Amino acid sequence: DIQMTQSPSSLSASVGDRVTITCRASQGISNYLAWYQQKPGKVPKLLIYAASTLQSGVPSRFSGSGSGTDFTLTISSLQPEDVATYYCQKYNSALFTFGPGTKVDIK
Amino acid sequence: EVQLVESGGGLVQPGGSLRLSCAASGFTFSSYWMSWVRQAPGKGLEWVANIKQDGSEKYYVDSVKGRFTISRDNAKNSLYLQMNSLRAEDTAVYYCARGLWFGELSNWGQGTLVTVSS
Repeated sequence: DIQMTQSPSSLSASVGDRVTITCRASQGISNYLAWYQQKPGKVPKLLIYAASTLQSGVPSRFSGSGSGTDFTLTISSLQPEDVATYYCQKYNSALFTFGPGTKVDIK
Repeated sequence: EVQLVESGGGLVQPGGSLRLSCAASGFTFSSYWMSWVRQAPGKGLEWVANIKQDGSEKYYVDSVKGRFTISRDNAKNSLYLQMNSLRAEDTAVYYCARGLWFGELSNWGQGTLVTVSS
């Protein structure tokens, strides 16, 4: 089975900072990678799919990159409303797997 | 507007059974793979099961194989998760979700809480 890891597990940054979260797959998954944002007490929200395609309605400060085994989610200018946990998820087969999550808060 | 509404959660004793339902509306239900995802209290997201549009293919995370069964009724626009031999570690909020095309889970229900405890 393909395992997904994320780093860091948590981070604290200032408003306006550039934030980067890394996701790694234990085997190549091409670009079948999605990123989700989950705010406390809320339902997960799809941010990015196909590794780099921004979901409709998601602010352009979010971007994704990568292919194969290594992927990144970047927030170009962190905003207070971005406080959340971010998850990557692979879907190269019908056996989906989520990463463990990265908790982002404001310094 | 796509809507997914889960029901059927509750408190159940270890070893017991529960059937979750997800009522779908606002899209052609029979055209989409559907998924169940769960989240234990204070923990991360865990994919549980997938089912193909016509129900001919079903996939499960290893920890629920042989105990959980995903099914669907396209005539009723409904997705189900039959959960048997429940364990304390199955305690979680269970979400049904639909992908844009497959695994890009763009639409989620509000979730239903399953608590397994004596």
